[in-house]
Amino acid sequence: GENVEQHPSTLSVQEGDSAVIKCTYSDSASNYFPWYKQELGKRPQLIIDIRSNVGEKKDQRIAVTLNKTAKHFSLHITETQPEDSAVYFCAASYGGYQKVTFGIGTKLQVIP
Amino acid sequence: EAGVAQSPRYKIIEKRQSVAFWCNPISGHATLYWYQQILGQGPKLLIQFQNNGVVDDSQLPKDRFSAERLKGVDSTLKIQPAKLEDSAVYLCASSLSSGGTDTQYFGPGTRLTVL
Repeated sequence: GENVEQHPSTLSVQEGDSAVIKCTYSDSASNYFPWYKQELGKRPQLIIDIRSNVGEKKDQRIAVTLNKTAKHFSLHITETQPEDSAVYFCAASYGGYQKVTFGIGTKLQVIP
Repeated sequence: EAGVAQSPRYKIIEKRQSVAFWCNPISGHATLYWYQQILGQGPKLLIQFQNNGVVDDSQLPKDRFSAERLKGVDSTLKIQPAKLEDSAVYLCASSLSSGGTDTQYFGPGTRLTVL
């Protein structure tokens, strides 16, 4: 089955700096890569996703890149703000029924 | 649009007791998922339903966990008997269609503590 590795497990940045979280996946059949943000005690919420036919996608301060050959994808947050502090999960999905495997999560702390 | 509903929000039980969780997905969503999220880890898929049929339960501990989806809408997840290691947040999610790459919407979760 699919295996998703995510690093770093914790990340502290100063407000205004950029943050990068990296993930690798094992199954070359994976074709959908969502990123979720989970604030303390709350549900995971989708913040951005990318499909295997696209190399990069941006949404305001958030961008995701995908390298299919190397089987890794990354989340980039620019101009970080304190409200970006949360746990971020990457995930990989494959198959007609969209079975999703999550990474272990990265706890991002943005220091004001 | 109403979100995914789950109940109860919190549950504390003794080991070897049984417990049941309920999930009501977003109206019209064909696919329903149950995840287990242990503190400090990512969600782990337990079971996935397509309408009222199971499409993946490979990570469901079937000796103690069971789940059903009534009439392709609501779902219940049961643990009997519970073990200490079952302490976790149980998340329900739903997505619109039967295939492809639709967004999964998560419910608020049920936090289970087994003493």
